[in-house]
Amino acid sequence: GQNIDQPTEMTATEGAIVQINCTYQTSGFNGLFWYQQHAGEAPTFLSYNVLDGLEEKGRFSSFLSRSKGYSYLLLKELQMKDSASYLCAVRPNDYKLSFGAGTTVTVRA
Amino acid sequence: TAGITQAPTSQILAAGRSMTLRCTQDMRHNAMYWYRQDLGLGLRLIHYSNTAGTTGKGEVPDGYSVSRANTDDFPLTLASAVPSQTSVYFCASSEGRGGHNEQFFGPGTRLTVL
Repeated sequence: GQNIDQPTEMTATEGAIVQINCTYQTSGFNGLFWYQQHAGEAPTFLSYNVLDGLEEKGRFSSFLSRSKGYSYLLLKELQMKDSASYLCAVRPNDYKLSFGAGTTVTVRA
Repeated sequence: TAGITQAPTSQILAAGRSMTLRCTQDMRHNAMYWYRQDLGLGLRLIHYSNTAGTTGKGEVPDGYSVSRANTDDFPLTLASAVPSQTSVYFCASSEGRGGHNEQFFGPGTRLTVL
């Protein structure tokens, strides 16, 4: 089976930076995804990494180290609207994804 | 563009009854997926279809069946519902080709089995 671990909860202050870590052990590797999910809504795509290194997209960045089975999502200049669950997902092969349980981020004023 | 639609939005179902959750996408995506999401367990894949006419089992397929008669529709059927199938069900689709191939999710169906 696939094993994907991420912290359950994190709390940060508005304007701060938060880093959500994700470690994985999977039968194969063909890409890592981060999704954002607000309460009661569908997950929406944030980022995709398939090669080692940092991918930056506005206030959000995602990092991947394939040799360490490790990724992180970095949220900068936190806003209240960033309060949500962040899902780490690995694509071991073809098109299917294996998801971690998600990290709930609470942004406080 | 609607993207992916799911119906119903929510449903309360008596144990032992059957039900079909509907999913339709208008993006002409080849691949479609059904997930259930339970607190503390994240999204778990039930069934998937890489292209019209083919289906496959995911991580938790027992008690569920799917069909893929055409590109747009991917219904999920519970033949005889049990309380453990109480969950939020998400349908998703992706292009089903190489590269990025991110999945797009529908709004979900909240199912309660009593």
